[in-house]
Amino acid sequence: QKEVEQNSGPLSVPEGAIASLNCTYSDRGSQSFFWYRQYSGKSPELIMFIYSNGDKEDGRFTAQLNKASQYVSLLIRDSQPSDSATYLCAVENSGYALNFGKGTSLLVTP
Amino acid sequence: DVKVTQSSRYLVKRTGEKVFLECVQDMDHENMFWYRQDPGLGLRLIYFSYDVKMKEKGDIPEGYSVSREKKERFSLILESASTNQTSMYLCATSTGLPGNTIYFGEGSWLTVV
Repeated sequence: QKEVEQNSGPLSVPEGAIASLNCTYSDRGSQSFFWYRQYSGKSPELIMFIYSNGDKEDGRFTAQLNKASQYVSLLIRDSQPSDSATYLCAVENSGYALNFGKGTSLLVTP
Repeated sequence: DVKVTQSSRYLVKRTGEKVFLECVQDMDHENMFWYRQDPGLGLRLIYFSYDVKMKEKGDIPEGYSVSREKKERFSLILESASTNQTSMYLCATSTGLPGNTIYFGEGSWLTVV
């Protein structure tokens, strides 16, 4: 079974701080990695994806990938209360479906 | 924008009933998926389809079947609903191209009593 592991949290950060969310995966052959955000009672929405080792930035979000260590992380700069949600890490599985972690709950306090 | 429509948002069904969950996408995507999401268990793949009339089992197919007669429509069928199938069901699509970003519908909340 290919595993995607995330700390369930909750991760609590003050407004304006950097939130750091981490994810590890078991399948060394995985090529594509995704971060989704899910508000309570809503469906997941894509934040960003990353394929190559290193950093990828999109606005306040930065995804980091280290294939050798099999981890991917998401940094949220200048965290806002509206960023409070569950963040799902996903790894492409066999070219079709994504395999999701159970998510990390983030709480940004004013 | 990708639009994935799940027509039934909230359903209450009785144990033993046959349940149909419908999903329609308007982006001509090749792949369609059904996931269920439960607290503490995360998102789990039930079935997926990469072409019309093609289907593949996911991680938890037991008690479910699917139908894809047209490219834009993917149906999830609970042959005989049971209380342990109470969950949120999420339909999703993807292009199947490298990168393969998945887009979700709004979800269907099913309660089996």
